[in-house]
Amino acid sequence: DTAVSQTPKYLVTQMGNDKSIKCEQNLGHDTMYWYKQDSKKFLKIMFSYNNKELIINETVPNRFSPKSPDKAHLNLHINSLELGDSAVYFCASSQYQGSGNTIYFGEGSWLTVV
Amino acid sequence: GENVEQHPSTLSVQEGDSAVIKCTYSDSASNYFPWYKQELGKRPQLIIDIRSNVGEKKDQRIAVTLNKTAKHFSLHITETQPEDSAVYFCAAYASGTYKYIFGTGTRLKVLA
Repeated sequence: DTAVSQTPKYLVTQMGNDKSIKCEQNLGHDTMYWYKQDSKKFLKIMFSYNNKELIINETVPNRFSPKSPDKAHLNLHINSLELGDSAVYFCASSQYQGSGNTIYFGEGSWLTVV
Repeated sequence: GENVEQHPSTLSVQEGDSAVIKCTYSDSASNYFPWYKQELGKRPQLIIDIRSNVGEKKDQRIAVTLNKTAKHFSLHITETQPEDSAVYFCAAYASGTYKYIFGTGTRLKVLA
């Protein structure tokens, strides 16, 4: 039983394409996140949703659009992909949005833009 | 905004030795400091955490210390084993921002 699952795990696509990554958590958590991990392994918050409401939007290009149809799902759509978008994208969740909550990460989606 | 600096970026130790990773945060409102371990090709996972009202916490071979005055916190791993080899991330939660800010990571190699 995977707690936070995201698909696809690997994605190779050409510049200019549009792609989506799906994420689901079965932990009953209220808060979900998207993190980007670049080639240097830096983990950067992109978005955070709490009960389907956008809480954090970290100066991410508007080519990235998250969508949360319900609190168990947070999908990421990327338009007009660029080479610099190549990274590992981690979906994550926590019980609440406040301090002291463990963040549970998905397995990551390896995106390569060629 | 909150900034978390982490050192060293890479650390090699002999099996059985201790390893120490240090982090510094900037926002004095930060009140929760987790540490995550990421094995090669895997997801980051929480290994230990500490709240701002505690100075030290220990769990078997790992311990974390917090100096609120200096805004420093550190991860200590004793009797290192090859399976401790991974990238370790510190993080700080800044109250009121709803954000966990991660350090830049430390790649720990335990040499057998």
